[in-house]
Amino acid sequence: EPEVTQTPSHQVTQMGQEVILRCVPISNHLYFYWYRQILGQKVEFLVSFYNNEISEKSEIFDDQFSVERPDGSNFTLKIRSTKLEDSAMYFCASSGQGDTQYFGPGTRLTVL
Amino acid sequence: KNEVEQSPQNLTAQEGEFITINCSYSVGISALHWLQQHPGGGIVSLFMLSSGKKKHGRLIATINIQEKHSSLHITASHPRDSAVYICAAGSGSARQLTFGSGTQLTVLP
Repeated sequence: EPEVTQTPSHQVTQMGQEVILRCVPISNHLYFYWYRQILGQKVEFLVSFYNNEISEKSEIFDDQFSVERPDGSNFTLKIRSTKLEDSAMYFCASSGQGDTQYFGPGTRLTVL
Repeated sequence: KNEVEQSPQNLTAQEGEFITINCSYSVGISALHWLQQHPGGGIVSLFMLSSGKKKHGRLIATINIQEKHSSLHITASHPRDSAVYICAAGSGSARQLTFGSGTQLTVLP
């Protein structure tokens, strides 16, 4: 069964460093999403992406964040200068024509 | 902005019991999602519904659009059902989801 994959599973970085989180959505899906979940808190929407551009973004998704689909398979989330409060689990998801979203296993980001 | 509330926050049941988890939202939606989050953190989509009722195995999800309320039921609960169950609301044509805080379900053998 097709699935969304994410790499790495765990990323540790120093405050101020740039990180890139990678996702491979399900191959025929058209919509892509990033979510984050700070430990013990709700899952929060960050951004959705369709037709090679951002379709919606939340207040969290400020200038420190960017997304890219550099080729036909990968979907990346870049955090330019990480802060301690960026420590969270980051989930990628994708969906096709329907609204059901399929989630990846997540990347745990730890900012020291 | 949609507010999504779930109850209860925590639920402990004996194996075989019938489970109900509730979700209410404040603004009209296009779809309501029920998700399951495993202890390792992975999220699995269980249901997406915009009206009526859906059933998959021992899981049943219902939604009442007028009352802005949805329920997730688990029949004949089993310890392997232990997980966090999350509802999430999608509004209008937006695919942006607003998540509830989750219900931690523990089913004891």
